[in-house]
Amino acid sequence: DVKVTQSSRYLVKRTGEKVFLECVQDMDHENMFWYRQDPGLGLRLIYFSYDVKMKEKGDIPEGYSVSREKKERFSLILESASTNQTSMYLCASSPPELQETQYFGPGTRLLVL
Amino acid sequence: AQSVTQLDSQVPVFEEAPVELRCNYSSSVSVYLFWYVQYPNQGLQLLLKYLSGSTLVKGINGFEAEFNKSQTSFHLRKPSVHISDTAEYFCAVSAKGYKLSFGAGTTVTVRA
Repeated sequence: DVKVTQSSRYLVKRTGEKVFLECVQDMDHENMFWYRQDPGLGLRLIYFSYDVKMKEKGDIPEGYSVSREKKERFSLILESASTNQTSMYLCASSPPELQETQYFGPGTRLLVL
Repeated sequence: AQSVTQLDSQVPVFEEAPVELRCNYSSSVSVYLFWYVQYPNQGLQLLLKYLSGSTLVKGINGFEAEFNKSQTSFHLRKPSVHISDTAEYFCAVSAKGYKLSFGAGTTVTVRA
């Protein structure tokens, strides 16, 4: 089975802090994704990576950056956390073909105070 | 660009009753369609997907969905639900490149 793990299930941070969310997949997938999930809005793509050191902006990249130094690991960085970044963050991975399933981690619920 | 509309935000249903979750999409090109489920405090997992061929797609846990190109719909159905089907359900569409566009989700609550 594909396994996608996220470093924390719950995080509480203060406004202005730098926040790192880590995601690791064990299936050698080329593609990795970061989404945020908010009630009534579904999932919105923040960033996408299709290879090591490669990244593309998704629909809502503002206030976020990402890092992919190794194929299995994809990090989401909040440079200066703000209260409007309080959300559920979901990581996913998939093979490169368009029709392939994305496999999701359990999510990190981030609260910014 | 493609978009997805899930027509019901909340669907309460009694155990052993049928359920239908409605999904409409818009796209100017051919699409792949997906239904994902999110159980409480978990990530999303794939229920089923339509890529091509037969318009009736069967998935896990007794769910099925029908692709209707003329109505641009991909409704999800289950003939008899269980308490364990209580979850949030997301319809998603992929048209080109890597992106999945998700609907806002439908929360299904199954009551005894």
